[in-house]
Amino acid sequence: NAGVTQTPKFQVLKTGQSMTLQCAQDMNHEYMSWYRQDPGMGLRLIHYSVGAGITDQGEVPNGYNVSRSTTEDFPLRLELAAPSQTSVYFCASSRRRTNTEAFFGQGTRLTVV
Amino acid sequence: SQQGEEDPQALSIQEGENATMNCSYKTSINNLQWYRQNSGRGLVHLILIRSNEREKHSGRLRVTLDTSKKSSSLLITASRAADTASYFCATDLFVMYSGGGADGLTFGKGTHLIIQP
Repeated sequence: NAGVTQTPKFQVLKTGQSMTLQCAQDMNHEYMSWYRQDPGMGLRLIHYSVGAGITDQGEVPNGYNVSRSTTEDFPLRLELAAPSQTSVYFCASSRRRTNTEAFFGQGTRLTVV
Repeated sequence: SQQGEEDPQALSIQEGENATMNCSYKTSINNLQWYRQNSGRGLVHLILIRSNEREKHSGRLRVTLDTSKKSSSLLITASRAADTASYFCATDLFVMYSGGGADGLTFGKGTHLIIQP
């Protein structure tokens, strides 16, 4: 059972570079989301999607873009990386938006220098 | 905005003892969930308790929910070294942020639990 797969696990970017964090789930879940985790801050919601073709902003969306062309994939794009985006990023999926457990990927540790 | 807040921030106990951590939240909820995060790993779901439930058990875990006090507790009995991890509570609701509203889990900052062998 693959569950939620995130790639890469680690990444170092220079300020101004772009990259895409990949997230894929094989559970046919409708709801997917991206969080960032910073020391002392817990997890904060970046973007989420309630189904293919539908995305929306979370608490901290600035500097990030997402797309959901298929049920399985939910990539997170950083267009112009900034040091403030240094963080650990987690993708999660669940069967529906509410009243159900979320399954998390293993995370991507991103450092922007 | 932080909906849930765990207490204490850190807890160190001896193996075999019970560990209790608490979560307080601000607004009415549909349900409350507890997650565990081992160092360097993703979060793993432990228990979901609905707003009309007062207590729930899963193995050595016991979760209580008091909606009148807007609080929940997670009890781990007979702790083991493998229970060393961070524990987060999360609420499931539509939250208004400065840029609008968003649907998703809102997490607290977590309790870091260390089990001493």
